Amino acid sequence: NAGVTQTPKFQVLKTGQSMTLQCAQDMNHEYMSWYRQDPGMGLRLIHYSVGAGITDQGEVPNGYNVSRSTTEDFPLRLLSAAPSQTSVYFCASSSPTRDTEAFFGQGTRLTVV
Amino acid sequence: GQNIDQPTEMTATEGAIVQINCTYQTSGFNGLFWYQQHAGEAPTFLSYNVLDGLEEKGRFSSFLSRSKGYSYLLLKELQMKDSASYLCAGPNAGKSTFGDGTTLTVKP
Repeated sequence: NAGVTQTPKFQVLKTGQSMTLQCAQDMNHEYMSWYRQDPGMGLRLIHYSVGAGITDQGEVPNGYNVSRSTTEDFPLRLLSAAPSQTSVYFCASSSPTRDTEAFFGQGTRLTVV
Repeated sequence: GQNIDQPTEMTATEGAIVQINCTYQTSGFNGLFWYQQHAGEAPTFLSYNVLDGLEEKGRFSSFLSRSKGYSYLLLKELQMKDSASYLCAGPNAGKSTFGDGTTLTVKP
């Protein structure tokens, strides 16, 4: 029972590099979202999706792209990494039909140098 | 707006009771969630209130007043392992707005 699988767990990037954070869930959840969490702060929404083929921006979308080609996968792409993107990233999924809680991946600690 | 406010830090003694408050300024939320987050880990679900009133689940209880934009999480018989950050969150059609979290320190 994997739940939400997020990879990698740790990553160091140089300024200007691009990369993709992977997120997959096996609970057939329609809703998926990406958050970033900076030290001492709550979760800020980057992008979210209410179903395959549908994505929308959250509170802090600049510098990030997403796509949702399948129900299971919701990758987050950093286009050109900047030190301000150093953070912990969490992917989450939930079901709209039962108003259930969000299930989170283990998080990715990203450092941009 | 959709601001969610909660105290930054709280300290309590092992065995005691602590109440963590959360206020919000929107009618767009479909209820209110509480999550627990230990340092270095992902948030995990604690409780969900969709209707006004108190929901009790073991040592943890959560209360919601939608008309007042107010919720609280009540932790009883505190244990050292309850030291963590507690996040309230308002869900809205596939996305949630989180407060900054309340860091609870439980002392012996």
